[in-house]
Amino acid sequence: QITLKESGPTLVKPTQTLTLTCTFSGFSLTSSGVAVAWIRQPPGKALEWLALIFWDDDVRYSPSLQSRLAITKDTSKNQVVLTMTNMDPVDTGTYYCAHSGGAVTCSGRSCYGQLSFSDYWGQGTLVTVSS
Amino acid sequence: DIVMTQSPDSLAVSLGERATINCKSSQSVLYSSNNKNYLGWYQQKPGQPPKLVIYWASTREAGVPDRFSGSGSGTDFTLTISSLQAEDVAVYYCQQYYTTPITFGQGTRLEIK
Repeated sequence: QITLKESGPTLVKPTQTLTLTCTFSGFSLTSSGVAVAWIRQPPGKALEWLALIFWDDDVRYSPSLQSRLAITKDTSKNQVVLTMTNMDPVDTGTYYCAHSGGAVTCSGRSCYGQLSFSDYWGQGTLVTVSS
Repeated sequence: DIVMTQSPDSLAVSLGERATINCKSSQSVLYSSNNKNYLGWYQQKPGQPPKLVIYWASTREAGVPDRFSGSGSGTDFTLTISSLQAEDVAVYYCQQYYTTPITFGQGTRLEIK
């Protein structure tokens, strides 16, 4: 049974750095093709994809936020951490982490994970940015 | 970025009737090497995380009722609920995972008429 749970501060001040942790169980982030993504949702608005980390440490970021984001993993703790710098009130919203398990493509000795759908999601954590 | 545009923004359908939601991508999400459309549909009820309903444009996720179906290819996709039930009231999002940044549609709010 795959589960994910987000944790972190509920309130941050403008210009501060947000650090969110996704703690998961039921899968390993050392298995080929597995990835964990972060997605956020401002109140009453649509979903916005932020970042993703693959089992092999390949990372992808939203270009519009790339300069502010960093995603890392700690496989010994079954955790993925997202940091977002220079927080602003427009960053207020619910932050979700999600699992995906896609195919792996190999060319010669190089293999990389393919993007895939998010089949398991955490419950989300609401982050408010306010002074 | 691939822009995902859903229509309509909101939809009211009578119980037992058909509901149809459309999604258009700004470029094809069909990967020619495996002939798969990298398109998913999610259902989100108030206060809950999104739930995967359809992936690869037409494959129903395990446990999803068979009244849900997905169709389309390339840039035009449809989510159909054949006979609307009260528990289907939600916001539905399409998502492309063909390339990063992964992008979502703006959402379609489905209500009971």
